Amino acid sequence: KAGVTQTPRYLIKTRGQQVTLSCSPISGHRSVSWYQQTPGQGLQFLFEYFSETQRNKGNFPGRFSGRQFSNSRSEMNVSTLELGDSALYLCASSPWSNRENNEQFFGPGTRLTVL
Amino acid sequence: KQEVTQIPAALSVPEGENLVLNCSFTDSAIYNLQWFRQDPGKGLTSLLLIQSSQREQTSGRLNASLDKSSGRSTLYIAASQPGDSATYLCAVSYRTFGNEKLTFGTGTRLTIIP
Repeated sequence: KAGVTQTPRYLIKTRGQQVTLSCSPISGHRSVSWYQQTPGQGLQFLFEYFSETQRNKGNFPGRFSGRQFSNSRSEMNVSTLELGDSALYLCASSPWSNRENNEQFFGPGTRLTVL
Repeated sequence: KQEVTQIPAALSVPEGENLVLNCSFTDSAIYNLQWFRQDPGKGLTSLLLIQSSQREQTSGRLNASLDKSSGRSTLYIAASQPGDSATYLCAVSYRTFGNEKLTFGTGTRLTIIP
């Protein structure tokens, strides 16, 4: 079974631009979560989508948004990029059979550098 | 505040030794706890998931325990190998209605010395 895939793997943007990252979950998984990883803040939760609906959202500004499509693929968008948005963005998928056994599987991440 | 702590931040041990990594969490109301490893610049690899009703899980040379009452989990690695060198992260899914997500510790960077 193929794992979680993320595209692109690397991105370089300049301040003020916007960017869209893509995540394809494991086949059959309905939940997709996004995390930001930086050396200073560690791993922080951005948002979670389930059946095309945002179910949870972390403490990030409105510049960060996402969506999920009917095939469970998800995209996240960051508008008006700032230098502090430079990070590794990780996507995780889970089957969501039940909360106790909800193992999350992560993709390789997208490394975003904002200049 | 629901937090997850991992101490120490870094650990070096000779190859072949058994070792224990520690994880502490502040609230016993959890769904599960998951251990991951992360190689430099890469994504996270799931190692073990322990449901709140379980006390331990085993996979090969890895054994993870969970003590909700004390807010602690340990990851035991037997007969360590250089390939075990990585950052190990624990993450807790807290029982917070409407906000179920993984809260991560800052990780322990493990180096196995050949």
